[in-house]
Amino acid sequence: DGGITQSPKYLFRKEGQNVTLSCEQNLNHDAMYWYRQDPGQGLRLIYYSQIVNDFQKGDIAEGYSVSREKKESFPLTVTSAQKNPTAFYLCASRRSGTGPFLAKNIQYFGAGTRLSVL
Amino acid sequence: QKEVEQDPGPLSVPEGAIVSLNCTYSNSAFQYFMWYRQYSRKGPELLMYTYSSGNKEDGRFTAQVDKSSKYISLFIRDSQPSDSATYLCAMMVGAGGTSYGKLTFGQGTILTVHP
Repeated sequence: DGGITQSPKYLFRKEGQNVTLSCEQNLNHDAMYWYRQDPGQGLRLIYYSQIVNDFQKGDIAEGYSVSREKKESFPLTVTSAQKNPTAFYLCASRRSGTGPFLAKNIQYFGAGTRLSVL
Repeated sequence: QKEVEQDPGPLSVPEGAIVSLNCTYSNSAFQYFMWYRQYSRKGPELLMYTYSSGNKEDGRFTAQVDKSSKYISLFIRDSQPSDSATYLCAMMVGAGGTSYGKLTFGQGTILTVHP
């Protein structure tokens, strides 16, 4: 089955700790995204990557870091500098490239990771 | 002011009702408009998309875009308990704009359809 796998489903962070959220896709998509979802706030873009070894800051990148060493993997690290990390984190991917709009522009989402602070 | 505004609700309706979900936006460069549905503790999934102004129908769902008023709507006819979810509008600028397919989301509307 093709899709996006996020792990773990639930994660707890202690004060001063860095934690890493995993995102793996087997859709052969070029672009990948990380969003944060808070109640009443919708989805806000943290980081995105259009190709391997390249990534860009989104709207709320402070306190987060990413890497894109493989096409199928885009892990997100929530650092101790992120003072309010409690949220639902969603990873998405998009095919991009040429072709019909729907095929190349639709973002497909994983099931999310819920991060809480101990 | 946020680029996309969506009434967060919550909205509670009886089964069979017609539901209207709405978003307004301020960026006139938006040309692609999407609706995602998100069940509790799950990731969003694409429900419908439209390009520019007009209507699009898919079964019980109708998406409507009025670019002159910067207003989009999603109508659900004969609503079912299985439609209970959070509905998110999302928008993207057209070709020539940003090249990375950035979606700008509304806050989401929580819908409950009770039997």
